[in-house]
Parts: sequence; C-alpha cells; structure tokens
Amino acid sequence: QSVLTQPPSVSGAPGQRVTISCTGSSSNIGANYDVHWYQQLPGTAPKILIYGNNNRPSGVPDRFSGSKSGTSASLAITGLQAEDEADYYCQSYDSSLSGGVFGGGTKLTVL
Amino acid sequence: QVQLQESGPGLVKPSQTLSLTCTVSGGSISSGAYYWSWIRQHPGKGLEWVGYIHYSGSTYYNPSLKSRVTISVDTSKNQFSLKLSSVTAADTAVYYCASSLGRGGFYDYWGQGTLVTVSS
Repeated sequence: QSVLTQPPSVSGAPGQRVTISCTGSSSNIGANYDVHWYQQLPGTAPKILIYGNNNRPSGVPDRFSGSKSGTSASLAITGLQAEDEADYYCQSYDSSLSGGVFGGGTKLTVL
Repeated sequence: QVQLQESGPGLVKPSQTLSLTCTVSGGSISSGAYYWSWIRQHPGKGLEWVGYIHYSGSTYYNPSLKSRVTISVDTSKNQFSLKLSSVTAADTAVYYCASSLGRGGFYDYWGQGTLVTVSS
C-alpha cells in the first residue's frame, strides 16, 4: 500500500491528452511539500520528468506538465506518442516518515 | 555528470544480511546539500524508499524497515552502503541508489539498479 495513490493504468491514442493523478494527505502533499514525477521505461531506473510540482528538467518535452492543488497533484501529457508508453510515479516528502514517499505507479498505454 | 553504481551479491540466503555499496563518481559525496538514498522496487511493483544518509552521518530510515536497516557512508571512497538484516523472500527486489538535493528534493541521479534475490 503506497502512501501516495495513483491509478494503476491510463491509456490514450496517439495525439491525445492524458492525465495521471496523485493523491496524498496532510503529512505530505497537503503539507505543501513539492511533488515530483518520474518516468520509468522497462528495465531502466526512473528518470525525473517533473520536479517541484511543475518544472521540467532540460531535455523533457513541454508536452509534459505538472500541477498541484491541496492534497493532490497531476501529471498531464499532451500529444501522446508511442515512446511515452512507460510507468509513471509521483513522489513527495512525508513529515511523519521523515522521508520520501512514492505513488504506486501508473502504467501508460498508447493505443 | 554524477554517476552512481551499485555493487554487491545478487543472491542472499534467508535470515542473512543483504549488503550493497553505491559508488559515486563525477561528484563528491561530501557535497553538503545532498542526501544519498537507497530505494527498492519489488518485481513488477512500485518504488519504496528505504532510507538515506547525509555525508555528516545523519541517517533516516523507512519506519517499516528501520529495525533491520543500516546505511553508512565512506567519504574517503566516495561510497555509501546499505545493510539489511534478517532478510526474507519479501526483500527480493531491485535496489537503487540515488541522490537528492535535500531531504524533500527529487532524486536527480540514479544507479542502474541491482537485483537482489533472497533464496536458499
């Protein structure tokens, strides 16, 4: 049972827009800690996709965007491409654990 | 460019201690603002934070593992290590080492991960 809650899967056709939600609580997202998003391709380590709620590292296309409100956050992907098919994880800090917490991950399928 | 590399046995017997080392290159583990983490991923499952250490020696562990986990740092070798005692099959996972800027920061550099299987 992950501390942050994500849908197990989402899907969309090429060119469409999808969103992935991440729900936390008052000890993590709701406590105003930043939310970060990672993309994990099969057999590889996660890669930072969005940091600090809505910031993209250099090299990440602007098709990826993040937002946060209250105890939840969302990752939006527009103009879906086949190469976006991967697992996506949200992450924040939890004051009761004094450490990082992750969502359970969402598998994105591009139809 | 900072690089992290995990090393250690890929097979550990039940009840024994899992030991892994992460070697940091391209940067100093003594960089004051950074925390050095272990994160694991059970087969086909999500990511779980195990714990982290600051070069000063301050450690923070996942409460669910705290009684069995020890993370240490060797600044002279630019390495940090994980020991997980009394392992069971439930500890079979890919173990990643990673760095973050601050305890609440994102994990910017990751090792490639190493699969540790607990089996007799």
